Amino acid sequence: GENVEQHPSTLSVQEGDSAVIKCTYSDSASNYFPWYKQELGKRPQLIIDIRSNVGEKKDQRIAVTLNKTAKHFSLHITETQPEDSAVYFCAASASGGSYIPTFGRGTSLIVHP
Amino acid sequence: GAVVSQHPSWVICKSGTSVKIECRSLDFQATTMFWYRQFPKQSLMLMATSNEGSKATYEQGVEKDKFLINHASLTLSTLTVTSAHPEDSSFYICSANPGTGNNYGYTFGSGTRLTVV
Repeated sequence: GENVEQHPSTLSVQEGDSAVIKCTYSDSASNYFPWYKQELGKRPQLIIDIRSNVGEKKDQRIAVTLNKTAKHFSLHITETQPEDSAVYFCAASASGGSYIPTFGRGTSLIVHP
Repeated sequence: GAVVSQHPSWVICKSGTSVKIECRSLDFQATTMFWYRQFPKQSLMLMATSNEGSKATYEQGVEKDKFLINHASLTLSTLTVTSAHPEDSSFYICSANPGTGNNYGYTFGSGTRLTVV
């Protein structure tokens, strides 16, 4: 089955800095990679996703890159703000079957004002 | 957008009792829903896949007799924690994929904080 590794587990930055979270996956059949943001005690919220036919996707301050050859994808947050503080999860899933995503272990992002 | 409603948001129960958690898709039909468990500062661990009109598929290590899942309609799945014990205390979250047959982002319920005393 799929195995998703996520690093770092904790990331502390100053407001205005950039933050990068990296994930690797093992199943070459995976073709959909969503990122979720989870604030304390709340549900995970989809913030951005990328499919395997695209190398990069951007939405305002958030961007995701995908390297299929190396089987890794990254989340980039620019101009971080205190409200970006949360736990971020990457995931990978494959077409066919039930598309069940495999989640990374999460990254706790702390943005200091 | 797709909305998944989950109730209750929190529950405290005594050891030995059973607790039912409901997960509803409000504006779409979900033939499949998923139940996750999340311990503090840990990732989402898939417990089981709930299939409308048929038996749920449980992940390895999850006791199907303890975590009863019923998916009686296209918009409702329930998880019942039977004979709950303190070690069952956790955050339980359901999710569903509004893009049936396609690979889309999953929508999560708001979660249920279960505390067994």
